[in-house]
Amino acid sequence: GIQVEQSPPDLILQEGANSTLRCNFSDSVNNLQWFHQNPWGQLINLFYIPSGTKQNGRLSATTVATERYSLLYISSSQTTDSGVYFCAVEAYSTLTFGKGTMLLVSP
Amino acid sequence: DAGVTQSPTHLIKTRGQHVTLRCSPISGHKSVSWYQQVLGQGPQFIFQYYEKEERGRGNFPDRFSARQFPNYSSELNVNALLLGDSALYLCASSVDMSDTQYFGPGTRLTVL
Repeated sequence: GIQVEQSPPDLILQEGANSTLRCNFSDSVNNLQWFHQNPWGQLINLFYIPSGTKQNGRLSATTVATERYSLLYISSSQTTDSGVYFCAVEAYSTLTFGKGTMLLVSP
Repeated sequence: DAGVTQSPTHLIKTRGQHVTLRCSPISGHKSVSWYQQVLGQGPQFIFQYYEKEERGRGNFPDRFSARQFPNYSSELNVNALLLGDSALYLCASSVDMSDTQYFGPGTRLTVL
């Protein structure tokens, strides 16, 4: 099956810092999504981004499908950004998740 | 509009028992998918249903089964529970099969 690798696995930031999370995938995909999982387990949809660049407030994402990677940018991080960020790719009617990046933003 | 809802929120079972988890999709969504998430891992795909038919199945044993009803709600059934089935079970709905997926809050299953 398709492999999804996320880096870094863990990240600690001070409030106000910027960060870049990376997602590499091993095969062509139909679409790619970024999620944020809060401490209560709720997965929040951040971006649906099979290719190109999108921005939503302090967050933006870029997917380069031909090179099989996606990047999630978080600017001016806040403590509420803490949690686990997942990348998930869809191929053959299956959504495959990476292992996530655990982000801790300290005040 | 209401989001994806799941019931129950928490469940405790013993080994060998059977469990049924329920999911109601967002209104207008015809696809429902189920995922298992164990601690420290990303969600693992179990099933996808679209228009009441199974359209995808992950690498899970036959003890796991699901169905989708005419109103697009769905049930996930797990027979002969094992300790390793303890996990957060997530349901997601989407308009179409390859569309953006929206997740419910999950059902936390503990098998003793």
